[in-house]
Amino acid sequence: QVQLVESGGGVVQPGRSLRLSCAASGFTFSNYAMHWVRQAPGKGLEWVAVISHDGTDKYYADSVWGRFTISSDNSKNTLYLHMNSLRAEDTAVYYCARDKTRTGDGIRDSWGQGTLVTVSS
Amino acid sequence: ETVMTQSPATLSVSPGERATLSCRASQRVNSNLAWYQQKPGQAPRLLIYDASTRATGIPARFSGSGSGTEFTLTISSLQSEDFAVYYCQQYNNWPPYTFGQGTKLEIK
Repeated sequence: QVQLVESGGGVVQPGRSLRLSCAASGFTFSNYAMHWVRQAPGKGLEWVAVISHDGTDKYYADSVWGRFTISSDNSKNTLYLHMNSLRAEDTAVYYCARDKTRTGDGIRDSWGQGTLVTVSS
Repeated sequence: ETVMTQSPATLSVSPGERATLSCRASQRVNSNLAWYQQKPGQAPRLLIYDASTRATGIPARFSGSGSGTEFTLTISSLQSEDFAVYYCQQYNNWPPYTFGQGTKLEIK
């Protein structure tokens, strides 16, 4: 079955960088667009970024544009989120999620369990 | 950006009764709307997509309706495992994909 496992979260100081990973299994990773979605403590869901199945198209939320980079390695079945210039408001559980389509214009049909990022001095 | 507004924020319903959750979009999203369920400490789970199509494995007591700007999620007979937070999300006008703020369904 579809499995998505995030890793790389932790405590980081403001202004520093962090890279999240999402290891995928149980499906043909290269056939699907992938997303990052985050949830601040006690808050709702916020979409962060999406990458198309072949990595050619990437889109970001305004709140992370220019600071975060989404990427994927289809040979490793792994999705990444490179986060730079981290701020306190980036503190959240970060989920990776599979899209139903190759291009990202569908819906998130499978989700990982999330990894917590805490930005604090 | 398409703003999604859910109502009510909290809904108290007794087990076995019917629950109706609402979601309104600030601009038309056609039928490109999904509903997710999230329980404490868990990832969201897809319930409904394309406004009214149940996702794989979702019980028939969950149903979605609406199009354009007004949408409804109905749970026909609440089971104990249904008490959770529910989010709507549009995928018509993206980026960004936008979620509602959530409706907490609690036991009355």
